[in-house]
Amino acid sequence: EVQLVESGGDLVHPGGSLRLSCVASGFDFSRHWMHWVRQAPGKGLVWLSRIETAGGKADYVDSVRGRFTVSRDDAKATLSLQMDSLTAEDTAIYYCVRGRGWALDNWGQGTLVTVSS
Amino acid sequence: DIQMTQSPSTLSASVGETVTITCRASQDISNWMAWYQQKPGKVPKLLIYKASTLESGVPARFSGSESGTGFTLTIHSLQPEDSGTYYCQQYLRSSTFGQGTRVEVK
Repeated sequence: EVQLVESGGDLVHPGGSLRLSCVASGFDFSRHWMHWVRQAPGKGLVWLSRIETAGGKADYVDSVRGRFTVSRDDAKATLSLQMDSLTAEDTAIYYCVRGRGWALDNWGQGTLVTVSS
Repeated sequence: DIQMTQSPSTLSASVGETVTITCRASQDISNWMAWYQQKPGKVPKLLIYKASTLESGVPARFSGSESGTGFTLTIHSLQPEDSGTYYCQQYLRSSTFGQGTRVEVK
C-alpha cells in the first residue's frame, strides 16, 4: 500500500522558514516524480513544485519560485520542501503527492502550515 | 502561465442524472488534462488523466473528453457518493488547477 506521511507543519511568523518532510513507503520512491500541492483553508488546490527522478529537474509555481526549494533523498524515500520568507498567503495544508509523471495518483494526508504573527 | 477556467462553480443534480463540468485552458494544452475528486475532509483522488483515460479503480460512470470548447468531465447516473469538489489540472507546461466545481447530489 502506498503511504505518504508529511510532517513539519507548524505556526511560523511572517518572514520565517519551515522545512516540510514526506516519508514514502509501499512503492519504489526513486522511480517516481514527486510533487507538492497546497490548499488554503476553504480554497482550491494549488500546484507548487515537482522534482523528477534521480534528483533531476525541479520546477515551481511563480508564487514560490526563489523562496521554496524541493529536494529528495531516494535512499531514505523522503521528499522535502524548504520554505523561506513565508507570508500569510502561504498558510495552507501542504500535500506530498506521488506522480506518474504529472498525473497525481497518491496523496498524503497533508501537514498544516500557519503563517501568523 | 497557463490559466484554467472551470465551470460551473457549483451544481446540484439528482441521483441518476448526468452532469458535465467544463475546463478551458488559456492556450492549447493538447490532451495534458487530468481530473480529480475531493470529498469533504478528504484528500483529492485522481479520476482521469490524458483528458480521457480512466484511472484504475474509478467507476466507469466517470468519463473525460475534449472538444473545441475545452475539456469535459461527465458523470453519468450520478450517485450520492459523487458529492464533492472536482478539479481539472493542466500539465502541458508546469501545472495549474482549475478553481473547482462543487457538486451536490440531491
